[in-house]
Amino acid sequence: NAGVTQTPKFRILKIGQSMTLQCTQDMNHNYMYWYRQDPGMGLKLIYYSVGAGITDKGEVPNGYNVSRSTTEDFPLRLELAAPSQTSVYFCASSYGGPRSPLHFGNGTRLTVT
Amino acid sequence: ELKVEQNPLFLSMQEGKNYTIYCNYSTTSDRLYWYRQDPGKSLESLFVLLSNRAVKQEGRLMASLDTKARLSTLHITAAVHDLSATYFCAVDGGLQGAQKLVFGQGTRLTINP
Repeated sequence: NAGVTQTPKFRILKIGQSMTLQCTQDMNHNYMYWYRQDPGMGLKLIYYSVGAGITDKGEVPNGYNVSRSTTEDFPLRLELAAPSQTSVYFCASSYGGPRSPLHFGNGTRLTVT
Repeated sequence: ELKVEQNPLFLSMQEGKNYTIYCNYSTTSDRLYWYRQDPGKSLESLFVLLSNRAVKQEGRLMASLDTKARLSTLHITAAVHDLSATYFCAVDGGLQGAQKLVFGQGTRLTINP
């Protein structure tokens, strides 16, 4: 049972480059989330999805885009990378509802220089 | 705007001692979560607290929620080295559906032999 899988684990980007962070889950969860964690801080919600074809903005969506074409996959796209996007990115999923805690992936550490 | 504050942010303890981490939040919610993060790792769910005066216990950890005071506590009893980690509380700021968690800054706990 793989759970939530994120790729890549590490990436260095130059300013202005673009990339896609991949996230897939095998638990048939409807709800999926992208968070970023800056050093020494808590996580901040970037985007979330309540099912295939449905996405919405979180607290810090600027500079990012998402899509949800299948239940399993929820990629996060960074366009025109900036140093402020240097962070650790976590993907998470859940069944939905308050009783269901989030299951997190292992994170992608992104550095923009 | 929902804000979540934890204290202390850093805590160094001796094995065998007891201590409490506090989580205060600024707007009404009865959905609060505790997560643990080991260095360089992902987040692991510890407790889900969904009502006033809810109390959950797992091993040497006990979490409680007072929705009227907007306060949750994570109590550590007779600490052991394996509990060294960063602990986050998170409050669900959404009305229904997807969990729109707002995280505290985290409490970095170090337990010394």
